[in-house]
Amino acid sequence: RKEVEQDPGPFNVPEGATVAFNCTYSNSASQSFFWYRQDCRKEPKLLMSVYSSGNEDGRFTAQLNRASQYISLLIRDSKLSDSATYLCVVNRYGNKLVFGAGTILRVKS
Amino acid sequence: DGGITQSPKYLFRKEGQNVTLSCEQNLNHDAMYWYRQDPGQGLRLIYYSQIVNDFQKGDIAEGYSVSREKKESFPLTVTSAQKNPTAFYLCASSIGVYNSPLHFGNGTRLTVT
Repeated sequence: RKEVEQDPGPFNVPEGATVAFNCTYSNSASQSFFWYRQDCRKEPKLLMSVYSSGNEDGRFTAQLNRASQYISLLIRDSKLSDSATYLCVVNRYGNKLVFGAGTILRVKS
Repeated sequence: DGGITQSPKYLFRKEGQNVTLSCEQNLNHDAMYWYRQDPGQGLRLIYYSQIVNDFQKGDIAEGYSVSREKKESFPLTVTSAQKNPTAFYLCASSIGVYNSPLHFGNGTRLTVT
């Protein structure tokens, strides 16, 4: 089983739609969780950290389910500019972070 | 503006040659990392360094070497022993070593023929 697993997609959604991605992780001792966004042929950029109680940043909501060992990312009112690959990141221990392979989102007009 | 600078953006080498990728940061971050990304795969950790003059192997260190003589600099050498060196290499830094997000440079695309 991979340490961090994501549905590769692509998720094709119309503008204005709500879309959600899940990511499962195998290490129950993991403490740090992040979502990164990566545009084609560019470096990943931090989208948001994921906190135990869940957190929101504008149109983006992240949640953590420790019991089932997954994190989720919800994007409301999708924009064309949201088209990217979304990477789920979990720490193995300390700051040794493990990246999922990413979920591709395509928002169409 | 603070950030991480990787150079060059594109690098082409012949098989059998060693090549060094540069990574410099002016964020005053203690920790620095090298990752490799291949198409359709997640980033894989090559080496990381938590403080100057100390570094640790990541998951795929074979065929690579690093040094951390200065806080700002963490160069990566891809040696001829690395069997599949063609990839997108990403350098990152973080403010600390626990629960800290990574900040990435814009990457170096290495092609070895």
